[in-house]
Amino acid sequence: DTEVTQTPKHLVMGMTNKKSLKCEQHMGHRAMYWYKQKAKKPPELMFVYSYEKLSINESVPSRFSPECPNSSLLNLHLHALQPEDSALYLCASSQDGTDYGYTFGSGTRLTVV
Amino acid sequence: EDQVTQSPEALRLQEGESSSLNCSYTVSGLRGLFWYRQDPGKGPEFLFTLYSAGEEKEKERLKATLTKKESFLHITAPKPEDSATYLCAVINQAGTALIFGKGTTLSVSS
Repeated sequence: DTEVTQTPKHLVMGMTNKKSLKCEQHMGHRAMYWYKQKAKKPPELMFVYSYEKLSINESVPSRFSPECPNSSLLNLHLHALQPEDSALYLCASSQDGTDYGYTFGSGTRLTVV
Repeated sequence: EDQVTQSPEALRLQEGESSSLNCSYTVSGLRGLFWYRQDPGKGPEFLFTLYSAGEEKEKERLKATLTKKESFLHITAPKPEDSATYLCAVINQAGTALIFGKGTTLSVSS
């Protein structure tokens, strides 16, 4: 299995809702990432997990809460989002040391109404 | 500050018209330079990793090269299905995460 699987593919949520994005990989990668991508912009790093521990938080607002239950799963919990948070949310994974490049999932298209 | 600059922002080619995309970088100790292809609404698809100046890699109609200051993605005889946004990214010596350029959007018409 050489894929990163993200669910759901599309999500529409109100500003008072609580939802979660899920990411799964079975490549044995020990680093996992959340990126946010706005239209016609490059991906922007949000969080990095290394060996299931949060190693980087790029000053992301607390309405985004990451979780890494085990080495294969990564969640992003969403609460009280704003319309400007609408974007494509990408999950990626890499082997320790990153020398083999990152494998990205297809993303979750999030719309906040 | 580590930085990646891609040019041009957009490129329109006729089918069969070869060209090159540029990625210039300033980074504190380059550990790797990556090229990705991204189709609209999809995640980036890995193409190449380059590690040191002088290195070249090829895949079908694509060839990536690396110097100490920049990388080129050469597209030979492109086809319409090569239309996509091509992203360049680097990892610095700290090795934390990818730093992306803004991308080049390539359109190939038949």
